[in-house]
Amino acid sequence: QVQLQESGPGLVKPSGTLSLTCAVSGGSISSNNWWTWVRQPPGKGLEYIGEISRNGATNYNPSLRSRVTISLDKSRNQFSLKVFSVTAADTAIYYCARVTIATSGTVDWFDSWGPGTLVTVSS
Amino acid sequence: QSVLTQPPSVSGAPGQRVAISCTGSSSNIGAGNDVHWYQQFPGTAPRLLIYGNTNRPSGVPDRFSGSKSGTSASLAITGLQADDEADYYCQSYDSGLGGYVFGPGTKVTVL
Repeated sequence: QVQLQESGPGLVKPSGTLSLTCAVSGGSISSNNWWTWVRQPPGKGLEYIGEISRNGATNYNPSLRSRVTISLDKSRNQFSLKVFSVTAADTAIYYCARVTIATSGTVDWFDSWGPGTLVTVSS
Repeated sequence: QSVLTQPPSVSGAPGQRVAISCTGSSSNIGAGNDVHWYQQFPGTAPRLLIYGNTNRPSGVPDRFSGSKSGTSASLAITGLQADDEADYYCQSYDSGLGGYVFGPGTKVTVL
């Protein structure tokens, strides 16, 4: 059973860059899945950030596209997220998840999640 | 402001049936896009509950069921139990926005 684990600094200064890594175990990041980042501000709902395929293709939430980069490291079986020019509004729990491709449906779903990591943007 | 609408909260007594609606538009659910549902307990990550409108992953009790019609979807919980108290989110894809979207979430309370 695949497991995911987020890691990275829990505190980032305003205007800085938020950098997180998601380590995948129990499965290969080169499998026929996409890999995604979702965030949740404290006490609020879920927000899709973006996703990356095993070949490095990416899709991003249009509202974040200009400030976000998702990348893949096959040698370490992990993928990463960078959010640039952060503000207090980027304070959230960040989750990484595996995306299962809907071969007989129309919309992919997120079937395995990491426990999440809280990132606070503050000086 | 999400393009999917859910009631902020629903409640029911143990053993009762509750239903959570997820209302969208012609650019998401009404466009034929599937709806998935997630369950989230406080302090934990979301868990996939229903995928492809009606399907349950292995390990999800059959007390949970999903349906979809037109521009809306619904999650029903029958035989409500105390440990069903959680937040529930619907998810789909919006063609106008060009990405996945989540509903705002519904808190289920067992009276």
